[in-house]
Amino acid sequence: ILNVEQSPQSLHVQEGDSTNFTCSFPSSNFYALHWYRWETAKSPEALFVMTLNGDEKKKGRISATLNTKEGYSYLYIKGSQPEDSATYLCASGGAAGNKLTFGGGTRVLVKP
Amino acid sequence: GAGVSQSPSNKVTEKGKDVELRCDPISGHTALYWYRQRLGQGLEFLIYFQGNSAPDKSGLPSDRFSAERTGESVSTLTIQRTQQEDSAVYLCASSMGLPGAEAFFGQGTRLTVV
Repeated sequence: ILNVEQSPQSLHVQEGDSTNFTCSFPSSNFYALHWYRWETAKSPEALFVMTLNGDEKKKGRISATLNTKEGYSYLYIKGSQPEDSATYLCASGGAAGNKLTFGGGTRVLVKP
Repeated sequence: GAGVSQSPSNKVTEKGKDVELRCDPISGHTALYWYRQRLGQGLEFLIYFQGNSAPDKSGLPSDRFSAERTGESVSTLTIQRTQQEDSAVYLCASSMGLPGAEAFFGQGTRLTVV
């Protein structure tokens, strides 16, 4: 993996269902993996920053896991609600300098 | 300031005109990024500043695009001879410049080229 890649690009979820999606990143020279939520007409806001292999972070119904050896992170939404509709961005930061490289995002639409 | 500020928030310009987009990062943030999102597409990296230098400008789509940063603070993204495909939301973000530091985003400038 040379770049940060997210899949799927978009996702439709029924209200109440749980869902998850993936961020893949280069495992070499890795320092931190960030997740952001970007709601329409707002600016992206940080959800989690993870650095250690096996890290798991949780905020309400949203959680994320990190595998630095294989270079992927999953973000989970449990019991999706319409207010979870947003684009979810992940970004990888290397130890040398602090350039964050973002994936293209996963657009989640929760249908009532 | 309290957050990243971008101006203008909206800009409508005629094809062929030049535009300047401004970003005021959070005070003390040494890293600054410009991204854009065109309609229906993902976040597209444009340029990254560390201090006043731009070690990575690989995302600038053409030589019509340029950016500068002065005083390790304000950054200006300039688009010359705008084209319709330049229409997008242009986002600026800044961070502390330390490994793992969170990026804080501005509200964006919505550019429409008519």
